[in-house]
Amino acid sequence: GNSVTQMEGPVTLSEEAFLTINCTYTATGYPSLFWYVQYPGEGLQLLLKATKADDKGSNKGFEATYRKETTSFHLEKGSVQVSDSAVYFCALADTGRRALTFGSGTRLQVQP
Amino acid sequence: ETGVTQSPTHLIKTRGQQVTLRCSSQSGHNTVSWYQQALGQGPQFIFQYYREEENGRGNFPPRFSGLQFPNYSSELNVNALELDDSALYLCASSPDTNEKLFFGSGTQLSVL
Repeated sequence: GNSVTQMEGPVTLSEEAFLTINCTYTATGYPSLFWYVQYPGEGLQLLLKATKADDKGSNKGFEATYRKETTSFHLEKGSVQVSDSAVYFCALADTGRRALTFGSGTRLQVQP
Repeated sequence: ETGVTQSPTHLIKTRGQQVTLRCSSQSGHNTVSWYQQALGQGPQFIFQYYREEENGRGNFPPRFSGLQFPNYSSELNVNALELDDSALYLCASSPDTNEKLFFGSGTQLSVL
């Protein structure tokens, strides 16, 4: 079956530091890959997505590249802000299904 | 603001009881999905409804059931509540043909 593995948190960074959150996946076929963000007390929000190999999703300074050869979709940001503090979820959607398979989430804490 | 609202925001039930959670989707969103998010975990897919018919189901027992109504509202019903049903329940809606999900803020269910 499908699965998503992401690095455990919490990840604690100082403002303006570089961020990487690792995500690897197992799936059949050619899934679409997503990063969702969950701010305290709120629902999940789509941060970025990529639908095929070598695609790069980007939004709000965050980027992730769909690497089929390493089955990875690592999230990066060059300079984090305090407002980026949240829980980040990597997810995949199998071809033909709309159900998302999520990783367990990585909490990011950015200190001023 | 995702346009998806869930009620109630918090709920406390005792083991063996039944519960109904409600979701109001954006107008025109014919697909609604429900997810269970246990504390510290990623959301897990319960089921999806498309135009009032169940359109996919995750690994949840039959005591989890749902309804979708023509006015873009939906319900998640859980019978014979168990302690492990304590979780955040998320509703997400989407238009027919793409994978972008719009999540509500969830209902926090506690089973005592």
